[in-house]
Amino acid sequence: DIQMTQSPSSLSASVGERVTITCRASQDITNFVAWFQQKPGKAPKSLIYAASSLQDGVPSKFSGSGFGTDFTLTVNNLQPEDFATYYCQQYSTYPHTFGQGTKLEI
Amino acid sequence: QVQLVESGGRVVQPGRSLRLSCAASGFTFSSYAFHWVRQAPGKGLEWVAVISFAGGNKFYADSVKGRFTVSRDNSKNTLYLEMNSLRTEDTATYYCARRPQGRGLDYWGQGTLLTVSS
Repeated sequence: DIQMTQSPSSLSASVGERVTITCRASQDITNFVAWFQQKPGKAPKSLIYAASSLQDGVPSKFSGSGFGTDFTLTVNNLQPEDFATYYCQQYSTYPHTFGQGTKLEI
Repeated sequence: QVQLVESGGRVVQPGRSLRLSCAASGFTFSSYAFHWVRQAPGKGLEWVAVISFAGGNKFYADSVKGRFTVSRDNSKNTLYLEMNSLRTEDTATYYCARRPQGRGLDYWGQGTLLTVSS
């Protein structure tokens, strides 16, 4: 199975700042990476697919990059509603494994 | 608008069976593959299973292979997850999610909680 390793596992930031979360795959997955945001008690929300394409309705403050094994999610101009847990997922090969999550805190 | 509504989660004893459902509306159900993803209390997301748009292709996580079966009824716009030989470690909120061709998961349901406990 492909392992997805996210870092950091937790992150503290302030309103207005920019943060970057990293996800590393255990083997080449080209650009088959998605990113999700999850708030406590809620279902995940899809943010990005194909490493860098925004899902419909997702604001451009979210951006993704990477190819092969190393991927990043960047969130610009943090607002209170952005503080949540973020997950990456590879969908190159079954099982479609998730990273362990990054909790973004104020 | 796109809606996915899971149901069927409840408290069951280890070794018993249960079927979860995911009712879809607001789009052409038969045009999409669907995934089940679960989340144990306080833990991260775990991919469980997928079924292709016509139901002919299915894949499972090793942790549920041989015990869980994913199916769909395109005439009822409904996805199912049949779970047998349930274990305490299957306790989780189960989400269904839609996957468009060539893209990652886009829409998720609100989840249904399964608790396996004696």
